[in-house]
Amino acid sequence: TQLLEQSPQFLSIQEGENLTVYCNSSSVFSSLQWYRQEPGEGPVLLVTVVTGGEVKKLKRLTFQFGDARKDSSLHITAAQPGDTGLYLCAGELNAGGTSYGKLTFGQGTILTVHP
Amino acid sequence: EAGVTQFPSHSVIEKGQTVTLRCDPISGHDNLYWYRRVMGKEIKFLLHFVKESKQDESGMPNNRFLAERTGGTYSTLKVQPAELEDSGVYFCASSQAGRWISYEQYFGPGTRLTVT
Repeated sequence: TQLLEQSPQFLSIQEGENLTVYCNSSSVFSSLQWYRQEPGEGPVLLVTVVTGGEVKKLKRLTFQFGDARKDSSLHITAAQPGDTGLYLCAGELNAGGTSYGKLTFGQGTILTVHP
Repeated sequence: EAGVTQFPSHSVIEKGQTVTLRCDPISGHDNLYWYRRVMGKEIKFLLHFVKESKQDESGMPNNRFLAERTGGTYSTLKVQPAELEDSGVYFCASSQAGRWISYEQYFGPGTRLTVT
């Protein structure tokens, strides 16, 4: 059973288009993170959202945490070929408990932006 | 500052053999995590060290896996004996000290393990 459902798994778009990646769960997360992973490397943190309804922007990337802290989205405006890569969402349950830092990952979205 | 390093980058072994993966965290990071991604699946948590102590090993698949972090610096993950289903990419991550508080985890490049 997948705790964090990430969709879509694959996304192929043209340069300049907008896109949204979703991460959904039936569980409440104390925080949710978005990572980007390049081939041969480990995931690199893009952003952490911790408050329900929180919106964070990172240049052309907009991250939103659902009001109930069960879902999140990543929106990219005017995608560029340099945005190509694997995007991962990961959440932390029970922050402050003994399992702090334990991340639950979604399956990832492979984004390809064509020039 | 050096990032998290992992060795080897790739390992191909036969079923039944033993393999030891190594992770060197960022200097000064007390928290060290091991994760694994099996092909077609999501990255899954294996265990968490705080310094040399195992804080949470709830994700360890079975007793063929043994993780150690002697001296609270680098960590090793031994698989003995390896099975086909152990194939995947093993990631190590570290974060700074802060009991009961989560800080940003920095991931290593991973070790790709193939069991044939």
